[in-house]
Amino acid sequence: DGGITQSPKYLFRKEGQNVTLSCEQNLNHDAMYWYRQDPGQGLRLIYYSQIVNDFQKGDIAEGYSVSREKKESFPLTVTSAQKNPTAFYLCASSILGAGNQPQHFGDGTRLSIL
Amino acid sequence: QKEVEQDPGPLSVPEGAIVSLNCTYSNSAFQYFMWYRQYSRKGPELLMYTYSSGNKEDGRFTAQVDKSSKYISLFIRDSQPSDSATYLCAMSKDTGRRALTFGSGTRLQVQP
Repeated sequence: DGGITQSPKYLFRKEGQNVTLSCEQNLNHDAMYWYRQDPGQGLRLIYYSQIVNDFQKGDIAEGYSVSREKKESFPLTVTSAQKNPTAFYLCASSILGAGNQPQHFGDGTRLSIL
Repeated sequence: QKEVEQDPGPLSVPEGAIVSLNCTYSNSAFQYFMWYRQYSRKGPELLMYTYSSGNKEDGRFTAQVDKSSKYISLFIRDSQPSDSATYLCAMSKDTGRRALTFGSGTRLQVQP
């Protein structure tokens, strides 16, 4: 089955610790995205990548980092500089082509502070 | 002011009712409009995808886009308890950054 796999489902972070959230897709999509979802605020874009080895900051990139070494994978690191990391993190992917193709989402990782 | 406004609800309706969900937006550059359904603790699932103005129907779901009013709607006919979820509108521009701008979501409850 094609889809987007996010892991882990739940993650806990200690003070001063960096944590990495995994996102893998087997849809052969070119573009991948990371969003953060907080209650009552919808989804906000953290980073996105349209091609391997290239990525762009979104609206709330401070305290986060990403890499795109393979087409299928787009891990997100939440660094200790992110002071309010508790949120639901969603990874998405889409085809790049004519027009703007819809994005498909994984089932998210819920990050909490210990 | 947010670029995309959506009433958070909750919206509670009896089973079988017609549901109307709406979003307004301020940026006339938006050309692509989507509706996602999100169940609790899950990722959003794409329901409808439309380009520019007009209507699109898929089973019990109808999406409408009125670009002159900067207003989009999702109608659900014969609503079912399984439709209980949060509905997110999203939109994007034709050029430049291809990421989506989301509304905050409307929580729908369909009572059996």
